[in-house]
Amino acid sequence: DGGITQSPKYLFRKEGQNVTLSCEQNLNHDAMYWYRQDPGQGLRLIYYSQIVNDFQKGDIAEGYSVSREKKESFPLTVTSAQKNPTAFYLCASRNTGNRAKNIQYFGAGTRLSVL
Amino acid sequence: AQKITQTQPGMFVQEKEAVTLDCTYDTSDQSYGLFWYKQPSSGEMIFLIYQGSYDEQNATEGRYSLNFQKARKSANLVISASQLGDSAMYFCAMREGSGGYNKLIFGAGTRLAVHP
Repeated sequence: DGGITQSPKYLFRKEGQNVTLSCEQNLNHDAMYWYRQDPGQGLRLIYYSQIVNDFQKGDIAEGYSVSREKKESFPLTVTSAQKNPTAFYLCASRNTGNRAKNIQYFGAGTRLSVL
Repeated sequence: AQKITQTQPGMFVQEKEAVTLDCTYDTSDQSYGLFWYKQPSSGEMIFLIYQGSYDEQNATEGRYSLNFQKARKSANLVISASQLGDSAMYFCAMREGSGGYNKLIFGAGTRLAVHP
């Protein structure tokens, strides 16, 4: 089945530790996104990538880093500089073709907590 | 600034009845898109329906329809014949422009509970 796979489902971070969240898609989408969701709130954009080897900061990029070495993969690293990392993280991808409605499709998310 | 407002933190509906979830938006762009997503307790965001700013007809997808009133800047979601499985958080989102990176701006969401 085509879709977006995020792993792990739950992740715990110790003080001063960097952790990496995985996002893989087999939809052949060019664009990929990372969002953060805090309790009772909507999603906020962390980073996005339109194409391999290119990515841009979103609204809340501080304390996060990404890479886009393959079309299928867009991992997110939560660094020790992110002082409040506890949140639900969602990855999305989008077909950038001319006839696409620019709909973003989401993975099942990773819930990150601080020990 | 661009903004999505969902004024209903929670809604209740009886099974098999219709329910309307409100969404208003603010943008100065002429070209934009409006989306509704469903988020069950599992967390995944499920795309429901899309309305482009230039679309003349209201969008429909099965039991979902979008009541688009451009002059009032509202894009309400109507769910007909509610089912128990419709219980979830519902988010309205807006995409600005027709190009670029297609950033989505989300509202705070409405929690819908369907009662038997």
